Amino acid sequence: GAVVSQHPSWVICKSGTSVKIECRSLDFQATTMFWYRQFPKQSLMLMATSNEGSKATYEQGVEKDKFLINHASLTLSTLTVTSAHPEDSSFYICSASLAGGNSPDTQYFGPGTRLTVL
Amino acid sequence: LAKTTQPISMDSYEGQEVNITCSHNNIATNDYITWYQQFPSQGPRFIIQGYKTKVTNEVASLFIPADRKSSTLSLPRVSLSDTAVYYCLVGPGGYNKLIFGAGTRLAVHP
Repeated sequence: GAVVSQHPSWVICKSGTSVKIECRSLDFQATTMFWYRQFPKQSLMLMATSNEGSKATYEQGVEKDKFLINHASLTLSTLTVTSAHPEDSSFYICSASLAGGNSPDTQYFGPGTRLTVL
Repeated sequence: LAKTTQPISMDSYEGQEVNITCSHNNIATNDYITWYQQFPSQGPRFIIQGYKTKVTNEVASLFIPADRKSSTLSLPRVSLSDTAVYYCLVGPGGYNKLIFGAGTRLAVHP
């Protein structure tokens, strides 16, 4: 249980194009999903919190017009990198919150998407 | 959000027990302690979560002293496949954001 998938697992695009990354919770519903970015040899950096049916909350320094987040259903959140540039090349990871029973809410992470912008 | 401090790196050998300690002096009353494991080019994998005392599952144990200002992840009899980065996070739960620290890079040697 608590499986999160991402698609695609890797993508290469030309500078100036837009790329959409999907994050799905496969066996549970997630009201809240999170998007992270990770550069080589560095830790995960939270980009935004995605809530189903409402606007995402972006972390300081993250451009909301460049990184468009849509959380249209309880199992799907998408991140669109608009007008991508080489500096946007990174490993993008999503997570989804699972709550249930007597356990506290826990975040489960997707496998990540490697974006390379040429 | 409570800040966490962990050793940057650790080395061990196959078959040994590894203990990674995390300091979180400013932990709040409603905060839980969660540990994740991350391999290169993969998303973090949930290992264990606890609030106080000791928690054990099939892969690890988590020791939390009474003051909750630190916690120790214990990995029994590590193998080469346990080579990874381990993150300690503190927060009230999954609906709330988590801020990752640098983590501990564990290298297990033959």
